[in-house]
Amino acid sequence: GENVEQHPSTLSVQEGDSAVIKCTYSDSASNYFPWYKQELGKGPQLIIDIRSNVGEKKDQRIAVTLNKTAKHFSLHITETQPEDSAVYFCAASHSGGYQKVTFGIGTKLQVIP
Amino acid sequence: EAGVAQSPRYKIIEKRQSVAFWCNPISGHATLYWYQQILGQGPKLLIQFQNNGVVDDSQLPKDRFSAERLKGVDSTLKIQPAKLEDSAVYLCASSLEVSTGELFFGEGSRLTVL
Repeated sequence: GENVEQHPSTLSVQEGDSAVIKCTYSDSASNYFPWYKQELGKGPQLIIDIRSNVGEKKDQRIAVTLNKTAKHFSLHITETQPEDSAVYFCAASHSGGYQKVTFGIGTKLQVIP
Repeated sequence: EAGVAQSPRYKIIEKRQSVAFWCNPISGHATLYWYQQILGQGPKLLIQFQNNGVVDDSQLPKDRFSAERLKGVDSTLKIQPAKLEDSAVYLCASSLEVSTGELFFGEGSRLTVL
């Protein structure tokens, strides 16, 4: 089955700096790569996703990149703000009749004001 | 649009007791997932339903866990008997698309087994 590795497990940045979280996946059939943000006491919420036919996608201060050859993808957050503090999960999914989503272990991001 | 509803939010039980969690997905979402999230880890899929049918329960400990989705809407997840290692947050999610797409999560049910 799919295996998703994520690092770092914790990340502290100063407000205004950039944060980068990296993930690798093992199953070359995976074709959908979402990123979820989980705040304390809440369920994960999708913040951005990328499909395998795209190399990069941006949404305001958030961007994701995908390297299919190397089987890795990254989340970039620019101009970090205190409200960006949360746990971020990468995930990989493939559609073989039904969607099977495998999550990484998570990165706890702390933005220091 | 109402989100995914889960109850109870918190439950404390003794080991060997039983517990049940309930989930009501977003209206019209055919796919429903139960994930187990142990503290400090990512969500791990326990079972996935497509309408009434199970499409993946490969990681469900079937000797103690069971789940059903009646009429393709609400779902319950039961643990009997519970073990200490079952302490976790149980997340329910639903999705509109069959193949790939966003999962909408509930706030989860936190289980503590003493």
